[in-house]
Amino acid sequence: EVQLLESGGDLVQPGGSLRLSCAASGFTFSSYSMNWVRQAPGKGLDWVSGISSDAGSTYYADSVKGRFSISRDNSKNTVYLQMNSLRAEDTAVYYCAKGRGYTRYGMDVWGQGASVTVSS
Amino acid sequence: QSVLTQPPSASGTPGQRVTISCSGSSSNIGRNAVNWYQQLPGTAPKLLICSDNQRPSGVPDRFSGSKSGTSASLAISGLQSEDEADFYCGTWDDSLNNWVFGGGTKLTVL
Repeated sequence: EVQLLESGGDLVQPGGSLRLSCAASGFTFSSYSMNWVRQAPGKGLDWVSGISSDAGSTYYADSVKGRFSISRDNSKNTVYLQMNSLRAEDTAVYYCAKGRGYTRYGMDVWGQGASVTVSS
Repeated sequence: QSVLTQPPSASGTPGQRVTISCSGSSSNIGRNAVNWYQQLPGTAPKLLICSDNQRPSGVPDRFSGSKSGTSASLAISGLQSEDEADFYCGTWDDSLNNWVFGGGTKLTVL
């Protein structure tokens, strides 16, 4: 069974940094792209970032470009999201989602989410 | 506002057929496959339809997807109370070079 377990969510002050992790199991991690998708309270889904299976390609939403960085460690079956210069509007539940192959094919399995709150 | 346009709400009575539309452009739906996701209250999203009209294993055949030009649709037949959820379309956008979602449609079963 495919499982994704996010960790690292927290309350952080505006301008601060946070790193989310997503530990994957139940599939050949190194063969699939991975994504981060967020959902602000009461709002819709907002794709944040994606990374190819070999980490050779990374993609970002304009709203986080230059502030967030996605990476992966295929030896640890883990994908990360480094979030810097956090703003109040980054407050959301952040979901890790397994890609269906290439990043452009979207995601098929989602974790339960990690809550990030940016507030002073 | 979202790159993909969905109606904010839809409703139907048990047993009815309901459709949810998703409108995009030539840089997204017009060139790439569409996925649909269902998000039940308080839970993570779940893949419902992929590649425009393919149902992943375990998804009932009451759910179907279609696409024509720059628009896609999700149809739910034999509506059940447990179908009450938020539904999102999504696809790749070649101009933005990233994934995009619709704003979501809240389905109410009356």
